[in-house]
Amino acid sequence: KAGVTQTPRYLIKTRGQQVTLSCSPISGHRSVSWYQQTPGQGLQFLFEYFSETQRNKGNFPGRFSGRQFSNSRSEMNVSTLELGDSALYLCASSLSGDGYTFGSGTRLTVV
Amino acid sequence: GDSVTQMEGPVTLSEEAFLTINCTYTATGYPSLFWYVQYPGEGLQLLLKATKADDKGSNKGFEATYRKETTSFHLEKGSVQVSDSAVYFCALSDLSGNQFYFGTGTSLTVIP
Repeated sequence: KAGVTQTPRYLIKTRGQQVTLSCSPISGHRSVSWYQQTPGQGLQFLFEYFSETQRNKGNFPGRFSGRQFSNSRSEMNVSTLELGDSALYLCASSLSGDGYTFGSGTRLTVV
Repeated sequence: GDSVTQMEGPVTLSEEAFLTINCTYTATGYPSLFWYVQYPGEGLQLLLKATKADDKGSNKGFEATYRKETTSFHLEKGSVQVSDSAVYFCALSDLSGNQFYFGTGTSLTVIP
């Protein structure tokens, strides 16, 4: 079966712009979580969606938002980009909390 | 709150050496425990898991045992290969199963 698909794989944006990242979970998985990974901070939890509702949220500013569609696909949006937002953004889906399946990530570079 | 602490890296080993990466956790109740591996340029892959005390997770020669008394889940492999070079993350899921907590990752390099 297809894995978790994240698009695009790479993205370069300018400070002040906004960006939207997409994640298609494994078929049947209704929970989708997003993480930011940086060399200095490791993996930091952004938010988790289940059946189109945000169920958990990490400690990120309001510039970071997300949503989930009825087909479980999810998007995350970052507005007013800052240099410090440069990171690998990972999406993960799960069926029942019994372990995540991660996508390959979107590498965002803010210049 | 729930948290995971894993051994600082980087770790460098010769091929066929024994590997241990320490992981301890703090959690309410009995969480599920996981090890994930991340190869360069990739996302994280589930390596193994254990869902209750004294369970042993194993995969690809790696093993980890859920020790409630020491709140630990150390990763071991008897003979590492160059292809095992990666970053390893210990993680737990909270009682709801809805949120995961990751350690900071341990980078392993295996040299021929």
